[in-house]
Amino acid sequence: KQEVTQIPAALSVPEGENLVLNCSFTDSAIYNLQWFRQDPGKGLTSLLLIQSSQREQTSGRLNASLDKSSGRSTLYIAASQPGDSATYLCAAGGNTDKLIFGTGTRLQVFP
Amino acid sequence: DAGVIQSPRHEVTEMGQEVTLRCKPISGHDYLFWYRQTMMRGLELLIYFNNNVPIDDSGMPEDRFSAKMPNASFSTLKIQPSEPRDSAVYFCASSSKYPGFAGELFFGEGSRLTVL
Repeated sequence: KQEVTQIPAALSVPEGENLVLNCSFTDSAIYNLQWFRQDPGKGLTSLLLIQSSQREQTSGRLNASLDKSSGRSTLYIAASQPGDSATYLCAAGGNTDKLIFGTGTRLQVFP
Repeated sequence: DAGVIQSPRHEVTEMGQEVTLRCKPISGHDYLFWYRQTMMRGLELLIYFNNNVPIDDSGMPEDRFSAKMPNASFSTLKIQPSEPRDSAVYFCASSSKYPGFAGELFFGEGSRLTVL
């Protein structure tokens, strides 16, 4: 059974820092790994989708990597801004199961 | 497209009452998902549909929960009778492909349910 873990649960950094959010999954037989952002009181917004054949995806200041062999994905945020403050969730997709979500990392970027 | 649309955004009801949550997926998306989010359990998949047909309802907690998708543009999640432990945010999401394979998932803004 796939389990997805995100560490840390919460992170507070000053504006301008580069930071890394971690996502671990137990079953390496995944088809894709997705990263989402959730603002308070809002739904989830898809940020990046990495297929199992890919190693990374980039969108603006965001870069997500995938290492299936080690069961890890990281989301790198460059030059963080207060507007990046949100909860970030990762989700693993497999061929026999639905997307399995981690519990998220709550990020606060202060000016 | 306006995205996934859910209603109501907020619902407060008393224990024992029937609750109906509604969802309009993005036009052209073949997959529709109902999730529940709580602080304790995070995001849980309740049920999903493909081409209006329920595929997996193993996440539906009890027989008090039911979901329908009468057509490609509308789905409902019903709780009858409601209980305080059903209090949560319920999300609807849709995708053009099965997310486990390649599909990007689009979420609505959720329906926050409080059962007193």
